[in-house]
Amino acid sequence: SQTIHQWPATLVQPVGSPLSLECTVEGTSNPNLYWYRQAAGRGLQLLFYSVGIGQISSEVPQNLSASRPQDRQFILSSKKLLLSDSGFYLCAGTVNEKLFFGSGTQLSVL
Amino acid sequence: QKEVEQNSGPLSVPEGAIASLNCTYSDRGSQSFFWYRQYSGKSPELIMSIYSNGDKEDGRFTAQLNKASQYVSLLIRDSQPSDSATYLCAASNNDMRFGAGTRLTVKP
Repeated sequence: SQTIHQWPATLVQPVGSPLSLECTVEGTSNPNLYWYRQAAGRGLQLLFYSVGIGQISSEVPQNLSASRPQDRQFILSSKKLLLSDSGFYLCAGTVNEKLFFGSGTQLSVL
Repeated sequence: QKEVEQNSGPLSVPEGAIASLNCTYSDRGSQSFFWYRQYSGKSPELIMSIYSNGDKEDGRFTAQLNKASQYVSLLIRDSQPSDSATYLCAASNNDMRFGAGTRLTVKP
């Protein structure tokens, strides 16, 4: 079965520091991959999605970027974090058009 | 702007009642539609998927899709306290987009 691995579970970073969150997928090949952010008590904001290696669609212009160096690896990055980047970050991948989520990273920028 | 909108709630129903959750989407190119359940602090989990017009039933859950009206709904029959959660609607044209969610509380 497919599994979305995402780490770390929690992260506290100072304003202005860099960020790298990695997500890997097991059990399927050529998945669509997604990064979402969820503010407390709010819905899922689509940040980036990828339909293949090196193919990234950006939904929200901001100081975040994403890369897909391998078929089952999706990375979310920032050169300088802002306070507003705090939130619950979720990686997800599709298998047979159904979306499965990783366990999420709770990011606090202080 | 491609959007998915849900009735914001919160929605409260007594145990054993039917809970009705509604969703509309703006992108007519959307081909796939989903309902997810999310408990506080956890990742969303898939409840149902629906791809064609009409009803789809799975146990106590029934999803309804009307592409002409760009409308998706979820009915939960015989609601249980364990159904208390936030329910997220999603529509996809490769770009899986979610609504803001509806918080459901089932009171014993």
